[in-house]
Formats: sequence, structure tokens, C-alpha cells
Amino acid sequence: GAVVSQHPSWVICKSGTSVKIECRSLDFQATTMFWYRQFPKKSLMLMATSNEGSKATYEQGVEKDKFLINHASLTLSTLTVTSAHPEDSSFYICSAFPPGQGYQPQHFGDGTRLSIL
Amino acid sequence: AQTVTQSQPEMSVQEAETVTLSCTYDTSESDYYLFWYKQPPSRQMILVIRQEAYKQQNATENRFSVNFQKAAKSFSLKISDSQLGDAAMYFCALCGANSKLTFGKGITLSVRP
Repeated sequence: GAVVSQHPSWVICKSGTSVKIECRSLDFQATTMFWYRQFPKKSLMLMATSNEGSKATYEQGVEKDKFLINHASLTLSTLTVTSAHPEDSSFYICSAFPPGQGYQPQHFGDGTRLSIL
Repeated sequence: AQTVTQSQPEMSVQEAETVTLSCTYDTSESDYYLFWYKQPPSRQMILVIRQEAYKQQNATENRFSVNFQKAAKSFSLKISDSQLGDAAMYFCALCGANSKLTFGKGITLSVRP
């Protein structure tokens, strides 16, 4: 149980294109999801917290207008990289945790490799 | 603010031997959780082991165990009987009341056959 699906797994686009990445909780409802960015051989950096039915909370230094987050339902959050440029190329990972009593660990999607030419 | 420090960027272990990966952290919260995640070349994040800060007993999961020293804010991972499939990047992480995970820089573990 507690599966998180991320799509697409790899995308290559031309500079200036907007790219949407989906994160779905397949067997549980998630009021909160998290979006991370990871450069090669580096750690995961939290970009934003996605809240169902309300605005996302962005970490310091993350451009809200560049990385649009929409959490329209309890099982889906989307990250749109607007007008992507080569410096936006990275590995993006989402996570979510199932509701329940006590602490529930985060479950991660398999990530999306974004390459901007 | 929470911080997690993994000072060793790389380690190597002989197959079947034991290796310990170190991690220290800092937090002002009294209730928190600590984790070790494994990230193989596929880049999938795999939860290896977790420790609740209020529990004194060290967590164990088969060949994986931790040495949790709360006063010293230390949380090391011991891998026994290392296998080739253990080769990966390992991240230490801390989660506080806001449910946000703070990761260390990670350590690349290689296993020699």
C-alpha cells in the first residue's frame, strides 16, 4: 500500500516550453504533498508543500511563478515548470504520506528527469 | 531550523563485511523522527529504517540497524553482511512537527566483491 505515482518519468523539451509533472497517490488520499528537486549526486531540496484546496507553500528562494503547483484533488498534485530553460534541468521528486493515527512516513514517487535543450 | 549533517561523501565496504554510516542532526523540537533512505542508480527513494525520537531502543530492520544517541544528536546506520545490492547513495533525514523532511548531503556507498 501507500503507492505514489509520478508521471512522466523523463521529459526532454525545448527551451521556453512549459512542462507539467503529475504526482498521484494511488491508494490513499493525501491532503499534503511535497515537491523536491535533486541535482546529480546531491541531496533532495524541498521546493514547496502542496496543500489540497489551498495555495502551495514555497521554500525560500523558490520562484512561485516559475514553479506552479496545483493540488486540485486529494490524489493529485501537479508541478508546472513554466517557460523552462536549461538551468531548470534537474530531477524532480514528489512525496506524500497517508492519513492515519500517529506519524506516517512519506512515500516517494519515482521521480521525473527533466532535460531542457 | 533543522539541520542534518553527513560529513563523509563516500565510503567503501567489502562484500559480507559491516559498515557504519554516520549522521548528526540539530533540532529544537522534542518530538521528531529520523530516517535513513537509500537511493540506488534508479534514483528511487527507498526507506531503509526509521527511529522515533521518544524511543530509547535502537531500530533494526534485518541487516540494518541504527545507533541513536539522542543527547549527542547522532544517528548512525550500520549495515551488516553487506551485499552488492546495498551499493547506493544513502541519505539521513529528520522530520519534525511540520512533517517536512530535512535531508543530509548523502553518502555514496560502494560494495567491493
